Amino acid sequence: GENVEQHPSTLSVQEGDSAVIKCTYSDSASNYFPWYKQELGKRPQLIIDIRSNVGEKKDQRIAVTLNKTAKHFSLHITETQPEDSAVYFCAATYSGGSNYKLTFGKGTLLTVNP
Amino acid sequence: DAGVTQSPTHLIKTRGQHVTLRCSPISGHKSVSWYQQVLGQGPQFIFQYYEKEERGRGNFPDRFSARQFPNYSSELNVNALLLGDSALYLCASSSTGVGNSPLHFGNGTRLTVT
Repeated sequence: GENVEQHPSTLSVQEGDSAVIKCTYSDSASNYFPWYKQELGKRPQLIIDIRSNVGEKKDQRIAVTLNKTAKHFSLHITETQPEDSAVYFCAATYSGGSNYKLTFGKGTLLTVNP
Repeated sequence: DAGVTQSPTHLIKTRGQHVTLRCSPISGHKSVSWYQQVLGQGPQFIFQYYEKEERGRGNFPDRFSARQFPNYSSELNVNALLLGDSALYLCASSSTGVGNSPLHFGNGTRLTVT
């Protein structure tokens, strides 16, 4: 089955700096890669996703890049703000099958220091 | 529109007991999935149901079961509870049964087994 590795497990940045979180996946059939943000005690919320037919996607201060050959994808947050502090999870799945099963990484605790 | 709703929010059970968790998907969503999130880890897939049929099952023992009702709500049942079943149980819904639509999570049920 799919295995997703996520690094780093913790990341501390100063407000205004950039943050990068990296994930690798094992199943070359995976073609959908969402990123979720989970604040303490709250639900995981989808913040951005990318499909394997594109290499990069951007939404304001957040961007995701995908390298299918290397089987890794990354989340980039620019001009970080204290409200970006949360746990971020990457996930992967194959969207062409008969079910919808996301395999998640173990998460990255991002702390943005004012 | 209401998001994915789960009940109860918190639950304390004793080893050996059974528990039933409930989930109502976003209106119009026909797929419901269940995930287990242990503290400090990413969510792990337990089940997916689409149009009342089981579409996928994760690597969980037979003590875990689920079903989906005609109104697309769902129940997760866990029998013979173990201490290791203590976790946040997340329900998620999507409009389709495959990964071509975003997966939306509820706030979860925090289960503590003593």
